Amino acid sequence: KNQVEQSPQSLIILEGKNCTLQCNYTVSPFSNLRWYKQDTGRGPVSLTIMTFSENTKSNGRYTATLDADTKQSSLHITASQLSDSASYICVVSSGETNDYKLSFGAGTTVTVRA
Amino acid sequence: DTGVSQNPRHKITKRGQNVTFRCDPISEHNRLYWYRQTLGQGPEFLTYFQNEAQLEKSRLLSDRFSAERPKGSFSTLEIQRTEQGDSAMYLCASSPPNAFWQYFGPGTRLTVT
Repeated sequence: KNQVEQSPQSLIILEGKNCTLQCNYTVSPFSNLRWYKQDTGRGPVSLTIMTFSENTKSNGRYTATLDADTKQSSLHITASQLSDSASYICVVSSGETNDYKLSFGAGTTVTVRA
Repeated sequence: DTGVSQNPRHKITKRGQNVTFRCDPISEHNRLYWYRQTLGQGPEFLTYFQNEAQLEKSRLLSDRFSAERPKGSFSTLEIQRTEQGDSAMYLCASSPPNAFWQYFGPGTRLTVT
């Protein structure tokens, strides 16, 4: 069973609207949680990273939240643009010394339509 | 372009053939990672190098797979006797010492016919 579950699997939104993606994880111990954006046919690009003590982190129109107690994170996209169409992947790291041991979610595919 | 580069970007091969992919990490990044990603899924960890030492291999990395990083710079991933199930995107990432971020390359899309 995947230790990182994302929802929804996909969504379609109109340009200019907001949307929120969810990530639940069971990875333990927990070091940090990252959100990546992956365009079709390209490698993932990092958006945000949050450690245990951080509740929110913003990167332009992207805002990530983290609740380490409930092991939930969300990624909020504000005023969506056509270029936001991509897969958004939630990634959890279980430890700094084992930072390569990342657990990836399957991603949420976002399609922004004009 | 100072990002992670991978070559080739696309590879089509017949079942049973050997293929080799190359990854050039960001300079001075001592850590290098290989992942495999199938359609609709997140990347799966394959192996990890710190400098030239291969420190971890996933059980996904069967005997047909071998990765090297001989001089601690670029890395190669070889798949011998390819199978149709090997068709996937192979991603390489690198990170500097003592940093969380992994920077991904554009990937090599392998299609085994």
